[in-house]
Parts: sequence; structure tokens; C-alpha cells
Amino acid sequence: NAGVTQTPKFQVLKTGQSMTLQCAQDMNHNSMYWYRQDPGMGLRLIYYSASEGTTDKGEVPNGYNVSRLNKREFSLRLESAAPSQTSVYFCASRVATGGEETQYFGPGTRLLVL
Amino acid sequence: GENVEQHPSTLSVQEGDSAVIKCTYSDSASNYFPWYKQELGKRPQLIIDIRSNVGEKKDQRIAVTLNKTAKHFSLHITETQPEDSAVYFCAALFAGTYKYIFGTGTRLKVLA
Repeated sequence: NAGVTQTPKFQVLKTGQSMTLQCAQDMNHNSMYWYRQDPGMGLRLIYYSASEGTTDKGEVPNGYNVSRLNKREFSLRLESAAPSQTSVYFCASRVATGGEETQYFGPGTRLLVL
Repeated sequence: GENVEQHPSTLSVQEGDSAVIKCTYSDSASNYFPWYKQELGKRPQLIIDIRSNVGEKKDQRIAVTLNKTAKHFSLHITETQPEDSAVYFCAALFAGTYKYIFGTGTRLKVLA
């Protein structure tokens, strides 16, 4: 049981390049989330997926797209990376049924956009 | 709009003293309030949580209190130890949504 996994761990991009961050969970959770973490800003929600087949915008969705590929996987895509997207990205998942509200986080992806 | 404010941003205490971190939320319908600890370079880890139908919850040296009327909740750490040094985040789950809004974090330093 690996929990929540993310790939890659670290990535350097040039301005304008695109990339996809991958997230997978093996806990049979219904809801999945993408956050970015910047110094002094805490964790800000980019997008979330309440259940398979649905996605919704969070606080800071501009410049990102997401795909809930199946129940296990939730990817985050940067179509044209900008230096302002330099951050640490965390994926999280949650059961979201039976009153269970705990989120479990992945190890994070450090992204540097030059 | 949905917002969670967290204070202080940094906190230094002597080993053995208590530490208190406070958060205020905007949506009175919020019903779940977790606290996370994040060590340098690591992922956030849940340390304690509280639901809106409970006023206080304890787990060994850690406790959380909730004041629904004032819309604030606090983390209390007693008998602090150097390994408590980390960044702590509060969050609120906004009722009727799947969205968690996080505070901006408190960097706690426990001085030996």
C-alpha cells in the first residue's frame, strides 16, 4: 500500500514548455486534489475532483488543466509554463464517504520554471 | 469568500513550554477542521482534527479547541520538544463542498 504517489519528484522547465504532473492513489479514495505551496502562502487549492468523472476549480486554477483519468489517477497539466508557476505541488486524496474527511498527501513535486 | 486566517506566522518557545496557534474561518457552515504538521522538505501530515459538533479534542500533548460562535479554532501543544519544530497548518472544510482552505502556516521553533 503505497498511499499517494507523485511523479516526477523534481522538474526544471523553460518558460513556455508544457508538462504533466502525475498522481496516483491506491487507497480506493473517491476525491483527489492538487495544491501548490509557495513560501508564506500555505497550501492553495488548484483543482479538485470530488469523484471519478468530475473536476472543479479551486482557488488558483489559471494556467492549469486537470484530468481524472480513472479512480486512481489525477493529473495536472501546465500547457505553457511561466516562472510564476515555480512551486512545490502536492496531490492529495480523501475517501469522502462515511464521514471520513482526512486528506492524505503525496510526497510533492518541486517545479522550477526558468 | 472562503478564507482561513492563521496567527502567528512564527513562534519560538523554550523546550517544555506550551505553544498555541490560532485560526479563524469565514464560513460559519464549515464542519471539519484539521491541523497538519510539515517538516522541512516533507509532505503535510495530519496531527489532529476536530468536527463542528465537538468543542475540544486531545491526543497526548496536542489538543484542539473550537469556538463555533467566534469561528475560530486553536492548536495547543504542551511540554514542547525540539522535534515539535516544524510548520503547522490549519484548514477548514467548507460545508457542502469538497474544498479545504488552508491557513498560511506557523513556523514553530522549540529552543533547547
